Amino acid sequence: EPEVTQTPSHQVTQMGQEVILRCVPISNHLYFYWYRQILGQKVEFLVSFYNNEISEKSEIFDDQFSVERPDGSNFTLKIRSTKLEDSAMYFCASSLIAGVTDTQYFGPGTRLTVL
Amino acid sequence: DQQVKQNSPSLSVQEGRISILNCDYTNSMFDYFLWYKKYPAEGPTFLISISSIKDKNEDGRFTVFLNKSAKHLSLHIVPSQPGDSAVYFCAASAVPGGSEKLVFGKGMKLTVNP
Repeated sequence: EPEVTQTPSHQVTQMGQEVILRCVPISNHLYFYWYRQILGQKVEFLVSFYNNEISEKSEIFDDQFSVERPDGSNFTLKIRSTKLEDSAMYFCASSLIAGVTDTQYFGPGTRLTVL
Repeated sequence: DQQVKQNSPSLSVQEGRISILNCDYTNSMFDYFLWYKKYPAEGPTFLISISSIKDKNEDGRFTVFLNKSAKHLSLHIVPSQPGDSAVYFCAASAVPGGSEKLVFGKGMKLTVNP
């Protein structure tokens, strides 16, 4: 069964450094998402991406964050200058369409630890 | 801003019995609801969904009930199995309102005892 994959599974970085989290969505999916879950808190939406542009973003997704689909398979989340509070699990998701009958499929997550 | 609430953090049931997981929401624009299951060190796995035009959706051992007037949904698992032990998230979206994002509850840990 097709699945969303994410690399790395765990990333440790120093505060102020840039990180890039990578995702390979399900191949025929057209909508891509990033969510994050800070330890002990709920899963929060960051951004959705369709047709090579951001379609929606949350207030969390400030100028430090960017997303890109550099080729036909990868979808990346870049955090330009990491802060301690960016430490979280980051989940990539994809869906075939956006609509009332669609489902978002999640990857296993990347645990980001900012020291 | 808790638009989706799962007020019980945990539930423990015996194998073979029914598990009932509850979820409340406050945003009347939500029109599509999903349940995800999450094991440790894995991402959320889609379980079952329901559109606001329905009040019940069934898939094998899993049934989701939606009460729009009460802004309440529940997930029933019958019979419960030890492999169902996981954290369950309720999520909602408001696509006709122009939003594709899922809004999640905090999750509830289900433990099914053999």
